[in-house]
Parts: sequence; C-alpha cells; structure tokens
Amino acid sequence: DVKVTQSSRYLVKRTGEKVFLECVQDMDHENMFWYRQDPGLGLRLIYFSYDVKMKEKGDIPEGYSVSREKKERFSLILESASTNQTSMYLCASSLRGRRGTGELFFGEGSRLTVL
Amino acid sequence: AQKITQTQPGMFVQEKEAVTLDCTYDTSDQSYGLFWYKQPSSGEMIFLIYQGSYDEQNATEGRYSLNFQKARKSANLVISASQLGDSAMYFCAMRGLNTGNQFYFGTGTSLTVIP
Repeated sequence: DVKVTQSSRYLVKRTGEKVFLECVQDMDHENMFWYRQDPGLGLRLIYFSYDVKMKEKGDIPEGYSVSREKKERFSLILESASTNQTSMYLCASSLRGRRGTGELFFGEGSRLTVL
Repeated sequence: AQKITQTQPGMFVQEKEAVTLDCTYDTSDQSYGLFWYKQPSSGEMIFLIYQGSYDEQNATEGRYSLNFQKARKSANLVISASQLGDSAMYFCAMRGLNTGNQFYFGTGTSLTVIP
C-alpha cells in the first residue's frame, strides 16, 4: 500500500523554537509538497520539490525553509516558530509529468501549535 | 492565473439523497486535470475522482461523478445516495499540465449528511 508518512501528528512548540516536520514517501515519486491548511483558507502551498536538492517557493514561503537530500524525504523547517504558524501541515507527493492522473498522495497531517 | 472557487462553505443533505458540490476554475492552460478530495474529521486527504480537460466523458467512481462543463469552467462533484460516512470537507483542485506540477485548491465545502 502506497504511503506518505509524516513524523508527528501533533506538536506543541514555543515561540522562537526551531521546528522540523519530516515527510517520507515510499512510492518513488519525484514531486513532493508542503501545504498549510487553515479554516476558510483551504490548502496553501508553502514549498514544493520536483527532484532531489531542488525546491520551489509556493504561495506562502515566508518563515519556512525546506530540505530534500533524498528522493523519499522532504523536510519543512520553521527557523523561529511564531504563533501565526499554528496550523495543520500536510505533506504530499505525486508523479512528475503526465503519467497517470498525477494525483497527490497525502500524509495524515501534522497539527502544530505554537505557544 | 490559476484559481479554484468553491462557493458553498457548508452543505446539508438527507441520507440517501444526492448532493452536488460546486467548483469553478480559472486557468490559462489548455491541458489540465481536475481533482476532488475528501477530508474526514480525522484529517487525512482522500482522493476521490479525476477529470482530464480533454476527456470527453464525465468521470465516475462508484457513487461519485464529476459534472464537467468545460465551456463554463465548472467541475461539480455529484455524490449519489449519500451516506453518513460522507460527512466531511470536500476540496476541488486543479493541476495545469503545462505550468508545472503545482496543484491549486479551493477553500472547501463542509458536507453534513443528516440521518
């Protein structure tokens, strides 16, 4: 069964802390994504990566960075967490290009609370 | 510019009845894919159905069908014979096949099925 695994379902951090959210997929997908989900705003793209060591900014990259050292792993980093980064974070992966439908496969989400 | 619009923040439907969730989109791509995802209260995003822009027939997957009207740029999801387990958030999404691998999501519709 294909799978996207996020390291933590629930995290509580303090303002100013460095936060790492890890995501691993076992489907050999080229593309990986980090989204943030807030009520009434839907899913907003933070960063995505279409290959190892490649990254592209999404719609809301400020305050975040990412790392993709291996194809299966895509990490989201909050260098100095702030309360307005309290949210649900969703990792997803997909095949590159036009193969198949190219749908996104999502992890279970990481709910981050910054105090 | 790519944009997805879901104008129904919340919907109610009687069990066993059909319901239509609206989705309109805007894109400059000639070739694109449209997706619907379901998000139950547990948080995971479940892929439901896909429609390619050049597909001549509306997509169907079990009780889900996609009412695709290309000229009107709409891709409404129809759920037939609603069940209590259909209560969830539903997101419409689009991927422009010529503009890279980004997905664009709507703000979602919360569906409640009433016994």
